[in-house]
Amino acid sequence: GNSVTQMEGPVTLSEEAFLTINCTYTATGYPSLFWYVQYPGEGLQLLLKATKADDKGSNKGFEATYRKETTSFHLEKGSVQVSDSAVYFCALSDRGQGFSFIFGKGTRLLVKP
Amino acid sequence: DVKVTQSSRYLVKRTGEKVFLECVQDMDHENMFWYRQDPGLGLRLIYFSYDVKMKEKGDIPEGYSVSREKKERFSLILESASTNQTSMYLCASSAGGGTYEQYFGPGTRLTVT
Repeated sequence: GNSVTQMEGPVTLSEEAFLTINCTYTATGYPSLFWYVQYPGEGLQLLLKATKADDKGSNKGFEATYRKETTSFHLEKGSVQVSDSAVYFCALSDRGQGFSFIFGKGTRLLVKP
Repeated sequence: DVKVTQSSRYLVKRTGEKVFLECVQDMDHENMFWYRQDPGLGLRLIYFSYDVKMKEKGDIPEGYSVSREKKERFSLILESASTNQTSMYLCASSAGGGTYEQYFGPGTRLTVT
């Protein structure tokens, strides 16, 4: 079946450091890939998405590229801020599997001043 | 902007009570979802609905039921609440499957004592 694997956290960085959160997936069809962010006490917000191989999603300085050959969708940001502290979820949606999403378990990011 | 609202942010109920969690979306989305979120387990799908009066079981439907009488409203029902149903409950909606993202509400933190 389909699955998403994220690196375990927490990830602790200093402000202005480079961020990478790894995400790999297993899918039988042609999934769309998503990154969501959850700030403390809130629901999930879409951060970016990519719907086909080699697509790059980007938003608020975050980027991720859909790599079919490595089945990966790693999240990157060149210079993190304290306000980026949150939990990040990688997810996939496979048209062949109906309407459901498969979420990774989340990676907590803590950015220190 | 898509808005998904949930009836309560925090709820405390007693074991054995019947509990209703309400979710409303304002973007005429076809699909609606209920998840629960627990530390270390990520998001798990309880039920989803792809049309009025239509519902499908997710990964963990036991102990829950749902109702969708109107397109904009999706209710999660705990028939007889138990302490192991203490969790964060997240509602989401989407315009379709595959490439369409899910939009989340702020969540309801339910405590069953």
